[in-house]
Amino acid sequence: AQSVTQLGSHVSVSEGALVLLRCNYSSSVPPYLFWYVQYPNQGLQLLLKYTSAATLVKGINGFEAEFKKSETSFHLTKPSAHMSDAAEYFCAVNTGGFKTIFGAGTRLFVKA
Amino acid sequence: DAGVIQSPRHEVTEMGQEVTLRCKPISGHDYLFWYRQTMMRGLELLIYFNNNVPIDDSGMPEDRFSAKMPNASFSTLKIQPSEPRDSAVYFCASSPGVRGTEAFFGQGTRLTVV
Repeated sequence: AQSVTQLGSHVSVSEGALVLLRCNYSSSVPPYLFWYVQYPNQGLQLLLKYTSAATLVKGINGFEAEFKKSETSFHLTKPSAHMSDAAEYFCAVNTGGFKTIFGAGTRLFVKA
Repeated sequence: DAGVIQSPRHEVTEMGQEVTLRCKPISGHDYLFWYRQTMMRGLELLIYFNNNVPIDDSGMPEDRFSAKMPNASFSTLKIQPSEPRDSAVYFCASSPGVRGTEAFFGQGTRLTVV
């Protein structure tokens, strides 16, 4: 069975600081991994995805994530946080059967 | 394309009433998903369709919930009778069905059952 664990339901950073949102997955087969962002009263939109090509994936708005098979991790990072990054972030896994499982989400707060 | 379209955006209903949520997927997408989002349980997959056929409904919480997809451009999620614990945001998403491709989400329907 596939599953996703996001460490930390809330993360707070100062504007300009590094953003690190943690995600670990469990899958018996090579997974497809995704990060989505959700702004208030909006649906989820894709930030980036890993599909077995490069292990370092770059996404929109300066975010990137690195797939580490040995650690079963897919952490999301951004070198410098902006106020507009405040949102909820979801890690998700799909093992090719089109059923995508989402983590519980991490709410990012950015302090001025 | 306009993206996945859900209606209504907000629904307030009384306990015991029937509620119908609607979704129009992106044209050409073969997969359609219904998710429910709550503070307590996060984002849960309720059911998904492939080419209008329900594939996995194991996430549907109770028999009060039903979903249909009469054609490729329309799906409904119905709750009858509704209960206060059904209050949540319901999302519809669609996907082209290519392995590794993400799901595209609608704006959601915020349901409040009083």
